[in-house]
Parts: sequence; structure tokens; C-alpha cells
Amino acid sequence: AQSVTQLGSHVSVSEGALVLLRCNYSSSVPPYLFWYVQYPNQGLQLLLKYTSAATLVKGINGFEAEFKKSETSFHLTKPSAHMSDAAEYFCAVSPDSWGKLQFGAGTQVVVTP
Amino acid sequence: DTGVSQDPRHKITKRGQNVTFRCDPISEHNRLYWYRQTLGQGPEFLTYFQNEAQLEKSRLLSDRFSAERPKGSFSTLEIQRTEQGDSAMYLCASSAGTVNQPQHFGDGTRLSIL
Repeated sequence: AQSVTQLGSHVSVSEGALVLLRCNYSSSVPPYLFWYVQYPNQGLQLLLKYTSAATLVKGINGFEAEFKKSETSFHLTKPSAHMSDAAEYFCAVSPDSWGKLQFGAGTQVVVTP
Repeated sequence: DTGVSQDPRHKITKRGQNVTFRCDPISEHNRLYWYRQTLGQGPEFLTYFQNEAQLEKSRLLSDRFSAERPKGSFSTLEIQRTEQGDSAMYLCASSAGTVNQPQHFGDGTRLSIL
């Protein structure tokens, strides 16, 4: 069985500050890992995905994530927060690249001026 | 690429009524997924299709739920005899079904049960 745990349901960051969202996974097989962003009343938009090609993955909007097998983590970062980054972020795991997704509970990001 | 389209965006109904949602995936995507998202939670997998074949169903999908994808293109999700607990956002996603192709999500249908 696979699962993901997102540490922190709410994160508040100042505009221009580092954004760090934590995700830990459990998987009995090498996982495929994803980060999605959701704006109010909208669906999920893919930020980036890990598919074993490289441990440091760059995504859209300046986000990146690092896969650390020893720590079973896939934390999401952005060096400088923008007001437009305010949204909910979900980490997800899949046993393969086209199978069902298992999502974490999400982290709500608030950006303050 | 026009994206995944879901209809309606919002549905308000009385308890006990039947409702049906439609999802139009990205053209040529052979995999289609349904998820349910309740307030403050991440999406939960309900079911998915490879072309017209329904390959997996979650135990969340009770007997009151049925999904179809008759021609391998659009899909419908029907809920019969709706209950208060069915209030949620129902999300549809599609993918090309090949290695490294992620799922693309629609904007969802929000169901409210009175």
C-alpha cells in the first residue's frame, strides 16, 4: 500500500521568502511522485513529477522538488514567493506513471505582503 | 488541447434524487479517472477507465454510484438516491496512458445535497 503525508495543513510565507512544503511517502516499490496546485473552485494543475530520471525535478512557476529515497521525502520549494502562489498544494503518489493517484491532505499556502 | 471539460460545474439537488455528471477528456487520452474531494481533503480515487473498459473501482464507489464510458470518449458518473454525505467536488482527469504521462484534471463538478 502507498500513502503520502503532508506536514502542515497551513503555511504562511512573506512575499519574496522561501516556500517549503513537505511531503513524505511510503511505498513498497519505486514510486512516481507528483505535486499539484489547486486554486479556489478549480481543478488540479500539475506542478511537477518525479519519474526516476533525476532526483531534482524542476516544474512550472519556479517550483522544484527533490526526491530523497533515504528520507522517503519529496519536498517542494520555491526560492521567492509571489502573491499568486497562494493556493492549496497536494502531493500525490502512484505505483506507476498512469495509475490511480493517492493524494495527501494538502497544504494551504497563504502569502502575506 | 482544449483540456478536460466537466459539466455541470455546480449541482444542487434534494436528498434522494439522482444526479449525473459528464466528463469530456482531452482528445486521444485513453485513460479517464474519477475522484471525489471533500472540503479540506485531498482527492480520493473512485474509478478509472482504459478506453471503454472500467478497470478499477474503489470501495468508496457504493452500489449507488455507477460510471460509464460507452465509446471510450466522454464518461458519465451517476449517483442514485443521493445522501448528505455525497456532497463533494467530483473531479475527472485524463491521461495518455503511456509512461510518464501525468493526469490532467478538469475543474470539477460541485455537488450540494439539500
